[in-house]
Amino acid sequence: GAGVSQTPSNKVTEKGKYVELRCDPISGHTALYWYRQSLGQGPEFLIYFQGTGAADDSGLPNDRFFAVRPEGSVSTLKIQRTERGDSAVYLCASSLTKSTDTQYFGPGTRLTVL
Amino acid sequence: SQQGEEDPQALSIQEGENATMNCSYKTSINNLQWYRQNSGRGLVHLILIRSNEREKHSGRLRVTLDTSKKSSSLLITASRAADTASYFCAPFTGGGNKLTFGTGTQLKVEL
Repeated sequence: GAGVSQTPSNKVTEKGKYVELRCDPISGHTALYWYRQSLGQGPEFLIYFQGTGAADDSGLPNDRFFAVRPEGSVSTLKIQRTERGDSAVYLCASSLTKSTDTQYFGPGTRLTVL
Repeated sequence: SQQGEEDPQALSIQEGENATMNCSYKTSINNLQWYRQNSGRGLVHLILIRSNEREKHSGRLRVTLDTSKKSSSLLITASRAADTASYFCAPFTGGGNKLTFGTGTQLKVEL
């Protein structure tokens, strides 16, 4: 079956601009996660959704970052007033029901802020 | 921090040899997951081992877990050039909702 998909695969923007990154989880998966990975590092947790609600947003670095999942399926990560330090690969993952299940990752969106 | 710490940071072996990667963590866990990543993009799930399990196999992969030592190991037998990738362990604690990754082991398998 189809895996987790993310769009766009690459995004180049200018400092100060607004960007939206999209994640389409595996069909039927109720749990969805966003991670951020900088060069040479492991993925860093940002936010976890259970259904439509953000169950844990403790990893969001500041209030410029926001994520939604209005219908409990597709999620959008929104970054306002982008900074060069936001450049990274943003990874989305989903799991069947709860956070202790196996997480399946998408291919990521490479964000470059000039 | 509960992140997994992989050791070694880099490993280079010849095709056909076995590769062993180790992971240490600090507090009690619910489960521990191993992932592979090629070229800095999507992670591929390899194995999930639960805290009450000691060993698990999947094809050429063998994972062990020692909760008394707070450590895990991933063994890849009869390695292939296609196994070249970064490998991450990610402990999962019962009180949290996230996987926490270390910096990974970069494995290079040479022909």
